[in-house]
Amino acid sequence: NAGVTQTPKFQVLKTGQSMTLQCAQDMNHEYMSWYRQDPGMGLRLIHYSVGAGITDQGEVPNGYNVSRSTTEDFPLRLLSAAPSQTSVYFCASSSNPGLAGHEQYFGPGTRLTVT
Amino acid sequence: AQSVAQPEDQVNVAEGNPLTVKCTYSVSGNPYLFWYVQYPNRGLQFLLKYITGDNLVKGSYGFEAEFNKSQTSFHLKKPSALVSDSALYFCAVRPDTGRRALTFGSGTRLQVQP
Repeated sequence: NAGVTQTPKFQVLKTGQSMTLQCAQDMNHEYMSWYRQDPGMGLRLIHYSVGAGITDQGEVPNGYNVSRSTTEDFPLRLLSAAPSQTSVYFCASSSNPGLAGHEQYFGPGTRLTVT
Repeated sequence: AQSVAQPEDQVNVAEGNPLTVKCTYSVSGNPYLFWYVQYPNRGLQFLLKYITGDNLVKGSYGFEAEFNKSQTSFHLKKPSALVSDSALYFCAVRPDTGRRALTFGSGTRLQVQP
């Protein structure tokens, strides 16, 4: 099991450029999510998905798009990069929590700098 | 809306001493509570969770956490700290029904001195 993988590890963009951060998991998890981590602010939820074809907005969705065409993949698209999107991005997945709660498995992160 | 407060940006403790990392929460309904740890340049790793039942929850690497409903707290503890415990610790909460998304605290850096 590779768990949750993310590519690229590092990326530098110019303002206005677009790009896609890739996330994949091989645990057959239904739930996947994207967070950004900024100093002193913890992790903030950008978008999440409860299954293929189903996505929803999190706390800070503006400037980001997602889609979920397969169970395994959950890419995050930056439409027009801005310096405020400089951050570390984490993808996470978990099985269906049901009524028992769930622990999320995190990828290693993508460090994005927008100049 | 749910929220998590971790009032200490950093906790310093000597190796061998007990440690406590504080967390308080606000959520509608019953809480599901989690602790995660992040080592440098790594993703978050799950430590432990409280869902229901015994208020004292035991997790990985000798950590435990105590759920206190009246104080809406979920403090992380360890009887004897190790230098290797030095890392960033996050508390997270979600309600037992409704949206599954976790809300994270801002994190507490634990520094264990030899």
